[in-house]
Amino acid sequence: EVQLVQSGAEVKKPGESLKISCKGSGYTFTNYWIGWVRQMPGKGLEWMGIIYPDDSDTKYSPSFRGQVTFSADKSITTAYLQWSSLKASDTGMYYCARARGDFGNYFEYWGQGTLVTVSS
Amino acid sequence: DIQMTQSPSSLSASVGDRVTITCRASRTISTYLNWYQQKPGKAPKLLMYGAANLLSGVPSRFSGSLSGTDFTLTINDLQPEDLASYFCQQTYSAPHTFGQGTKLEI
Repeated sequence: EVQLVQSGAEVKKPGESLKISCKGSGYTFTNYWIGWVRQMPGKGLEWMGIIYPDDSDTKYSPSFRGQVTFSADKSITTAYLQWSSLKASDTGMYYCARARGDFGNYFEYWGQGTLVTVSS
Repeated sequence: DIQMTQSPSSLSASVGDRVTITCRASRTISTYLNWYQQKPGKAPKLLMYGAANLLSGVPSRFSGSLSGTDFTLTINDLQPEDLASYFCQQTYSAPHTFGQGTKLEI
């Protein structure tokens, strides 16, 4: 059974750094792109980008490029989303999802989400 | 970026109704259009990919189609458990943009 399990909720102050995780299991981790999706409170879904864990090839949305960093550790089948300096506007729910490539990498499996709250 | 315009933004319907949600892309995306369902407080779930391919396990009352430049998600015989928000997404060209969402109230 394919599973993506994300790390727990975080409360941070503006300017702090953060790294959240997404652990994949039940499939060959290096064979599928992993994506990140933001959902701000009460809002829609925003595609942040994707990473291919085998070689860490990444594709960022222009809206998020330079604001976040994707990484992956094949040895522990875990993908990461990190910020070096959080802003209040980073508050939201962040989902990881495993992509399937036959129609352009749509998201077939989703993690449960990690709620990030940034507040002074 | 490809813009996805989804309508309506909200919709109220009754059990047994047929509802239609539409998504239009700002330029051609072939059939690289997917639909997701998000129930309150839950992660999104994939319903359909490639415009009309129903994911295994999704009830057959859900269907997708393309007419001209409009992609349509249709739910026949609406059930109480269909209360959710629905999002389209194009995966033709990165960034793989989502529509704004449709909140379906039963």
